[in-house]
Amino acid sequence: QQQVKQSPQSLIVQKGGISIINCAYENTAFDYFPWYQQFPGKGPALLIAIRPDVSEKKEGRFTISFNKSAKQFSLHIMDSQPGDSATYFCAASKQGGSEKLVFGKGTKLTVNP
Amino acid sequence: GAVVSQHPSRVICKSGTSVKIECRSLDFQATTMFWYRQFPKKSLMLMATSNEGSKATYEQGVEKDKFLINHASLTLSTLTVTSAHPEDSSFYICSASPRGYTFGSGTRLTVV
Repeated sequence: QQQVKQSPQSLIVQKGGISIINCAYENTAFDYFPWYQQFPGKGPALLIAIRPDVSEKKEGRFTISFNKSAKQFSLHIMDSQPGDSATYFCAASKQGGSEKLVFGKGTKLTVNP
Repeated sequence: GAVVSQHPSRVICKSGTSVKIECRSLDFQATTMFWYRQFPKKSLMLMATSNEGSKATYEQGVEKDKFLINHASLTLSTLTVTSAHPEDSSFYICSASPRGYTFGSGTRLTVV
């Protein structure tokens, strides 16, 4: 049973455009929602994370929007660059980050020059 | 920031041999470490969770006798793949908590 559903599976965006990746979760006990960026052959790197007490968090070009009632959260990448081309994973966990992460299936983002 | 070092980055071993992968938290004490396996173009699959000084908790379907996990200190966890077979070839990644689940750089295991 997949507890975090991520879409789309792949995304192609032009340089300068906005990339949007969506995730939905089922378990209302989740209270930590990170996004990871992974390049081929490398481990995932934390991009940005949010807790359910806020609806939006922004760090540079990356923004998480969180809708607690809909049990959905999304990653927005503004002014997308070719260097942003990677696979992005959303995840969720309980108890503030001490429990195991549940990952979405990933989104392969390609930013064309 | 939190750094997790994973070694080796690549390893090739012969079928039937064992290989050990190390995961170290360099600047914090990792009370919990997680081991994942990732197939090409797939998401991360949690194999086991280890807490320092206690036995690892394995996910359903993961052979605990094949994938031995040791978390003997607050900065080191090891994954040993015993009697490796070609189907064990994969990308293995560790993660350490409580610093926001910092991931290691991964180990590409190829069993020939």
